[in-house]
Amino acid sequence: GAGVSQSPSNKVTEKGKDVELRCDPISGHTALYWYRQSLGQGLEFLIYFQGNSAPDKSGLPSDRFSAERTGGSVSTLTIQRTQQEDSAVYLCASSLHPGANVLTFGAGSRLTVL
Amino acid sequence: RKEVEQDPGPFNVPEGATVAFNCTYSNSASQSFFWYRQDCRKEPKLLMSVYSSGNEDGRFTAQLNRASQYISLLIRDSKLSDSATYLCVVTTSNDYKLSFGAGTTVTVRA
Repeated sequence: GAGVSQSPSNKVTEKGKDVELRCDPISGHTALYWYRQSLGQGLEFLIYFQGNSAPDKSGLPSDRFSAERTGGSVSTLTIQRTQQEDSAVYLCASSLHPGANVLTFGAGSRLTVL
Repeated sequence: RKEVEQDPGPFNVPEGATVAFNCTYSNSASQSFFWYRQDCRKEPKLLMSVYSSGNEDGRFTAQLNRASQYISLLIRDSKLSDSATYLCVVTTSNDYKLSFGAGTTVTVRA
């Protein structure tokens, strides 16, 4: 696609429910990143993909968080048993290759856990 | 200590003014540096890379001081449209994780 697409743009869920957030990167971009941004905070790194593999999962906050990428394209971030502290904007970004360093972000998925 | 630290501001300046702010980083092995811009409730977008010798892009000037481990951004002749949060971004050559600062908010008033 022309840009990075994320869905849903907004998600309100109840504590304890599972949520899936989707990211469709720019066509041909091999590197894909997930960050999250809480209100008034900076971007917190979650996970990075090179192709379908995730060399760096160091930012995932807990084992309730998981992510996968298939076909070197679409990625899904799953949060199980959501907690209120999971409320944030989840941003996906892609780059042509890992060393490119220049990221193009999607508009984000705003998650609110009640 | 955070990897990247920024003065959150806000910097409130009149149109036409010059505003400058810094960002410090903790990892001396950091190799690549960037400024991103984030408008309210929007995604971050690359503003400019920061090169060792310093670089300009129109009204924007970025500097790198490796000895003191900080980068700076200067905006000349501020426009209303420059109002945004400016994010400092740092990465090492072997680590493709880009570390973001929390941002410096700039508000340009008429």
